[in-house]
Amino acid sequence: QVQLQESGPGLVKPSETLSLTCTVSGGSFTGNYWNWIRQPPGKRLEWIGYIYFSGTTNYNPSLGSRVSISLDMSRNQFSLKLSSVTAADTALYYCARLPSRESPFDFWGQGSMVVVSP
Amino acid sequence: ESVLTQSPATLSLSPGDRATLSCRASERVTSYLAWYQQKPGQAPRLLIYDASNRATGIPARFSASGSGTDFTLTISSLEPEDFAVYFCQQRRGWPPVYTFGQGTKLEIK
Repeated sequence: QVQLQESGPGLVKPSETLSLTCTVSGGSFTGNYWNWIRQPPGKRLEWIGYIYFSGTTNYNPSLGSRVSISLDMSRNQFSLKLSSVTAADTALYYCARLPSRESPFDFWGQGSMVVVSP
Repeated sequence: ESVLTQSPATLSLSPGDRATLSCRASERVTSYLAWYQQKPGQAPRLLIYDASNRATGIPARFSASGSGTDFTLTISSLEPEDFAVYFCQQRRGWPPVYTFGQGTKLEIK
């Protein structure tokens, strides 16, 4: 059974960079797409982007150039960086797996709450 | 941008009842539509993929149908553990962008 676990600071100051890491266990990193998804309080889920095991990335155009996803296969981890954050980036951040780009998100982490506040 | 709209926002039913949840897309969707269940403090759980296929381990009381712009998730006889939030999800374009409905909360009446 694949398990994903998010980790990172729960509080980030405005204009700074949000950084989260997802640790994957119980499955192979290879051949899958590794995603970040967020849910602001009271709002719908928003897909942030993915990284393929080869390093290819695809980001939601709505986030522009603020987002970057990287991976460290030696540690079975992938990471999210979101720069120049504002209060609108306050959300529950999930990591999730796509076995292929045409498939659904089959495994998710439990989520990590990040609050943007001075 | 194609938007997914779910209805109703909240559905109040009793165990044993039949639940019917709707997901409507503002633009035609391919067969790629998924449904998930979300409980407080838990990871979302995949229920349905490709509009009508149950994911591994999902009980037969969960079924789904639809095509084009209108999709439905049905729970034939509600169990106590089924009370949760349900949301739908689509893939659009290439490279793909994934979007979600706003969710339907299924609560105990």
